[in-house]
Amino acid sequence: KAGVTQTPRYLIKTRGQQVTLSCSPISGHRSVSWYQQTPGQGLQFLFEYFSETQRNKGNFPGRFSGRQFSNSRSEMNVSTLELGDSALYLCASSLGGTGTNQPQHFGDGTRLSIL
Amino acid sequence: QKEVEQDPGPLSVPEGAIVSLNCTYSNSAFQYFMWYRQYSRKGPELLMYTYSSGNKEDGRFTAQVDKSSKYISLFIRDSQPSDSATYLCARGGDARQLTFGSGTQLTVLP
Repeated sequence: KAGVTQTPRYLIKTRGQQVTLSCSPISGHRSVSWYQQTPGQGLQFLFEYFSETQRNKGNFPGRFSGRQFSNSRSEMNVSTLELGDSALYLCASSLGGTGTNQPQHFGDGTRLSIL
Repeated sequence: QKEVEQDPGPLSVPEGAIVSLNCTYSNSAFQYFMWYRQYSRKGPELLMYTYSSGNKEDGRFTAQVDKSSKYISLFIRDSQPSDSATYLCARGGDARQLTFGSGTQLTVLP
């Protein structure tokens, strides 16, 4: 069974630009969550999607947004990039469903560097 | 105070040693707990998942949860050089949002 796939693996952008990252969940998984990982702050939750709806959002500015498609694939977008946005962006998928707490499985992430 | 506090390490042990990794948490609403292993340039890999107090064993790995003292541990028996990685504890609740510890970097020396 294929795992969580994230593309691209590496990305270099400059300040002020915007970026879109993609995530394909494990087949059959309907919940997709996004996390930001930095050396200083560790892993921090961005948002979670289920059935094309955002169910939960972390404490990040509105420049960070996402969406989910009917096939459960997800994208996240960061606009007006800042130097502090340099991080590893991780996507995790789980079976999802109301009231369930299924384990989350992570992809290998997209390494975003802002110049 | 962070919601999940993890022993920072780094930790270096000889091959074959028993490794103990520890975390504490502050929110009693936490319902389930996980341990992830992360190799350099890779995403976190789920090792253990548990939602009750007590021990859960999987091969060389044992996860221990004590909800009364808000303490979670991961034990690795017969540690191998391939176990060298960063270990992350995490807790989850109804919101399906995971809160992670800062990670402990482990090196197992051959």
